Amino acid sequence: KAGVTQTPRYLIKTRGQQVTLSCSPISGHRSVSWYQQTPGQGLQFLFEYFSETQRNKGNFPGRFSGRQFSNSRSEMNVSTLELGDSALYLCASSLQGPGDTEAFFGQGTRLTVV
Amino acid sequence: AQRVTQPEKLLSVFKGAPVELKCNYSYSGSPELFWYVQYSRQRLQLLLRHISRESIKGFTADLNKGETSFHLKKPFAQEEDSAMYYCALSGAGGTSYGKLTFGQGTILTVHP
Repeated sequence: KAGVTQTPRYLIKTRGQQVTLSCSPISGHRSVSWYQQTPGQGLQFLFEYFSETQRNKGNFPGRFSGRQFSNSRSEMNVSTLELGDSALYLCASSLQGPGDTEAFFGQGTRLTVV
Repeated sequence: AQRVTQPEKLLSVFKGAPVELKCNYSYSGSPELFWYVQYSRQRLQLLLRHISRESIKGFTADLNKGETSFHLKKPFAQEEDSAMYYCALSGAGGTSYGKLTFGQGTILTVHP
């Protein structure tokens, strides 16, 4: 079966711009979660959506937002980009949630803010 | 609050030697513990979870609630085990639901 697909794979943006990242989960998976990965902080939880509802949110500023569509595809948006937002953004999909059922990760979107 | 600590950033062993990757956690309720692995140029993938009590690729991990640990072990390391290993925790309900908290990761290198 097709895995989790994240687009785009690479992105370069300028400070102050906004960006939208997309995640297509495995067919049938209703949970999509997002993580930011940096060398200094490791993998940090951003938010998780289940059937279009945000169930949990990490400790990130309001510039980070997300949504999930009726087909379970998810997008995350970062507004007013800062240099510190440069990171690999990973999404993961699972049937019921990453704590209950296996989470499958995408290859990530590498965001560089200049 | 939930926290996962992997004290070793780097771990090197020789092929055939035993290996143990340490993981300690902090969580007030009953956690679900996982080990995820990322091989070179591959996606992060689940290796094993404590609730299944399986041995995957020769690796086992036992949840020790008294010591709040979930160490990953393998009696005889292989070169193909070289990878980044992450310990992760998920809480049950409330503010923990849908969230995985990861440790900082341990890079395991198995030398021939």
